[in-house]
Amino acid sequence: NAGVMQNPRHLVRRRGQEARLRCSPMKGHSHVYWYRQLPEEGLKFMVYLQKENIIDESGMPKERFSAEFPKEGPSILRIQQVVRGDSAAYFCASSQKHGAHQPQHFGDGTRLSIL
Amino acid sequence: DQQVKQNSPSLSVQEGRISILNCDYTNSMFDYFLWYKKYPAEGPTFLISISSIKDKNEDGRFTVFLNKSAKHLSLHIVPSQPGDSAVYFCAAAYLNNDMRFGAGTRLTVKP
Repeated sequence: NAGVMQNPRHLVRRRGQEARLRCSPMKGHSHVYWYRQLPEEGLKFMVYLQKENIIDESGMPKERFSAEFPKEGPSILRIQQVVRGDSAAYFCASSQKHGAHQPQHFGDGTRLSIL
Repeated sequence: DQQVKQNSPSLSVQEGRISILNCDYTNSMFDYFLWYKKYPAEGPTFLISISSIKDKNEDGRFTVFLNKSAKHLSLHIVPSQPGDSAVYFCAAAYLNNDMRFGAGTRLTVKP
């Protein structure tokens, strides 16, 4: 399967715990984007990364959220000290090049539930 | 701020008929517009796009129309098929690929 792979598909955490979401982009793609979808809402941009660099994190909350895309391995979205409001579907997308005309290819998402 | 709006949360169409999904945006600086289709428990799948310098793009049964003066775009599916039943997201992208999504329209195509 050469698509964007996200794991886990479902993640349950208690308030105050940490959540780590992983994303392996499509082969040959070096641009990764993270989105969050709240119930009954569209996808909201969080962060855009290129290998080892955060390019745009304007959509990511300033506290408790962080993202990385190391030289080797998947991109990680980390949420520390989770709260109920973090419950959402988190989607990762990747593209081969960067630009408005480059469609982003999405993974199937990680559904995060906070107890 | 909701820069991309899909005002119809749902649409029901008979098989074989035309489906028209609408989308409005507020920022004239968007460079590209895209439509994504999403099935339950899956990620969005790119469907079709249009550059801001064009007013129409067609791909098989799917056609996207852009009216820049009205800041409005629409996706036409003809003929509609039951397999088209999904949630359709409109997205608008800046040159830097920063995308804004609408809330989606759930299309149901009845056999």
